[in-house]
Amino acid sequence: AQKVTQAQTEISVVEKEDVTLDCVYETRDTTYYLFWYKQPPSGELVFLIRRNSFDEQNEISGRYSWNFQKSTSSFNFTITASQVVDSAVYFCALMDSSYKLIFGSGTRLLVRP
Amino acid sequence: GAVVSQHPSWVICKSGTSVKIECRSLDFQATTMFWYRQFPKQSLMLMATSNEGSKATYEQGVEKDKFLINHASLTLSTLTVTSAHPEDSSFYICSASLGTSVNEQFFGPGTRLTVL
Repeated sequence: AQKVTQAQTEISVVEKEDVTLDCVYETRDTTYYLFWYKQPPSGELVFLIRRNSFDEQNEISGRYSWNFQKSTSSFNFTITASQVVDSAVYFCALMDSSYKLIFGSGTRLLVRP
Repeated sequence: GAVVSQHPSWVICKSGTSVKIECRSLDFQATTMFWYRQFPKQSLMLMATSNEGSKATYEQGVEKDKFLINHASLTLSTLTVTSAHPEDSSFYICSASLGTSVNEQFFGPGTRLTVL
């Protein structure tokens, strides 16, 4: 079965701290895509990254970085030098061969000034 | 590019009435649209997948007679919640994918439905 697990329900950090959000997935497909989305209080989903299963290169985009490890079925997301504006719910998602998105339960990040 | 709109952004209705939510792809043609529901402090759950001109495919546990989906054109899909009840109160989000890029979905801003 396809499944995404985000074990961290809530994380609270002080501004400028680094924080890592964990994501573990399960799939039988050999070709799949992994995503991270940010959902601020407004509710609108903000796309952060898409990674296909054949590309295990880590990616960095500004203060954001992602670590994809197929060996452990993980796709973790790190925010460096966190800011108050990073406060939101972050969702990891898996797209299977039917092109359906399966979302994890989300991690609520609170960055305190 | 790849903008998806939803209307209305929020709606309050009385129990027993029907509510229609529109999802539009503004600058591209969406062969496939998806409808999700998100209860407070929970994740997004896929309700149904709709392809233009054909019947929607509903996920297990979603009542197709209660949540009517119409995808009449390549830029518009509608979700009608029939005979709404308080337990249908939720955040409904649509997404749309390009025909040539099915592995990417563009999300609408969501519609918050409150049933009194």
